[in-house]
Amino acid sequence: EIVMTQSPATLSVSPGERATLSCRASQSVSSNLAWYQQKPGQAPRLLIYGASTRATGIPARFSGSGSGTEFTLTISSLQSEDFAVYYCQQYNYWPLTFGGGTKVEIK
Amino acid sequence: EVQLVESGGGLVQPGGSLRLSCAASRFTFNSYAMSWVRQAPGKGLEWVSTISAGGGGTYYADSVKGRFTISRDISKNTLYLQMNSLRAEDTAVYYCAKGLAAPGQVFDYWGQGTLVTVSS
Repeated sequence: EIVMTQSPATLSVSPGERATLSCRASQSVSSNLAWYQQKPGQAPRLLIYGASTRATGIPARFSGSGSGTEFTLTISSLQSEDFAVYYCQQYNYWPLTFGGGTKVEIK
Repeated sequence: EVQLVESGGGLVQPGGSLRLSCAASRFTFNSYAMSWVRQAPGKGLEWVSTISAGGGGTYYADSVKGRFTISRDISKNTLYLQMNSLRAEDTAVYYCAKGLAAPGQVFDYWGQGTLVTVSS
C-alpha cells in the first residue's frame, strides 16, 4: 500500500498570504495525484488532479506541482473561504490512499 | 448539476449488516466509475471501494474485503454498498463519489454522506 504523508499537519496563514502544502508518497505515483478541500460538515471538493490540472470551476489561485514522490499544493493568496482541511490522494495503485490532511487555519 | 444522495445509514450492532444506497441523477450513470469513501469521526478520508462504469470491475480496501460488496443498478441509477460483519472501526460517515471520465479513481462529485454507527 502506498502511504501518503502530508505536512505540516496544521498551517497558520494570514488572509492574502501564500500557503504551501506538501504531500509525499512512499513510492513513485507518477503524476497520479489529486488534491481535495474539505470544510467542516461538508463533503470534500476536488481541486487538482494529474498533480497540476485544476478541476472545473477551481480558481487560478490554487495550483499543484510535482511528480514521483513529492507534490505541492500552493494557494497564492488565501481568501477567507480557503480555510479548510486539504487532502492529497494517489490513484496510481490500488488501494487508493489519502494523506492524513493539512488544516489551514487563520493566523 | 450532478446529484448524489446517500441513504441507509444508522445504528447497528457489531456483527450486523447494513446496505447503503446512493441515488444518482443529472449525469449518465452507467458511463462513470463510482466509489465509496468513508471518514471516521474527527479523522481523515479512507477509500472503501470502487466499481467500474460497466460494473465488471470492483475494488476494495483490505479493511473491508470479504465483508463489503459494492454494486450498481443502472435501471435505478443507484449505487449500493452491502456491509456485513460490521465492526466498531467501521463507524464513519460514508460518502458516495463519482469518478472523472478519466481517470475514474479521481472523485469530482460527492454526496452529503450517511453516518454509520456500529455499537452495542
